[in-house]
Amino acid sequence: DIQMTQSPSSLSASVGDRVTITCRASQNIDTFLNWYQHKPGKAPKLLIYTASSLQSGVPSRFSGSGSGTDFTLTISSLQPEDFATYYCEQSYSMYTFGQGTKLEIK
Amino acid sequence: EVQLVESGGGLIQPGGSLRLACAASGFTVRNIYMRWVRQAPGKGLEWVSVIYSGGSTFYADSVKGRFTMSRDNSQNTIYLQMNSLRAEDTAVYYCARGLSPPHDALDIWGQGTMVTVSS
Repeated sequence: DIQMTQSPSSLSASVGDRVTITCRASQNIDTFLNWYQHKPGKAPKLLIYTASSLQSGVPSRFSGSGSGTDFTLTISSLQPEDFATYYCEQSYSMYTFGQGTKLEIK
Repeated sequence: EVQLVESGGGLIQPGGSLRLACAASGFTVRNIYMRWVRQAPGKGLEWVSVIYSGGSTFYADSVKGRFTMSRDNSQNTIYLQMNSLRAEDTAVYYCARGLSPPHDALDIWGQGTMVTVSS
């Protein structure tokens, strides 16, 4: 099974900050990597698919990069509504989510 | 409007059975793949099962042999039959729609239904 490891597990940042979350796969997954945002009591929201494609309607401050085993999600300028938990997910061989990164207000 | 609405969650004793439903509107479930994803209290997201447009299904090891995913095209609804439930199956269960191939990600999610397995 493919394991996904996110870092950090939690992160404190301020509005306007640039934030980067990383995700590492236990084996090569090409670009079969997605990023989701999840807020308590809400449905998860797709942000990025296939490593770097921005989902329709998602603000351009979100971007993704990487291939193979190492991936990043970057938020260029944090907005108040961005404080949430972020998950990566591999879809190369069935599906595995990372453990999540909780982004909190500093 | 494209929408997914889950139902069927509740409190069930260990060893019991429950069937979740996910009613779709705004699109046709037979033309696309659908998945169930769950989140246990205080934990992260976990993939549970998938049904592809051709009807084939696959399951996470943690539920294989106990859960069955199915689809009713006439009702435009997918189901998750959960048998031999365990305490560790306690979670919010989400159904979600897959993007059109070749992309494999979930673009529409329901609001979730809570399943609590406890005596």
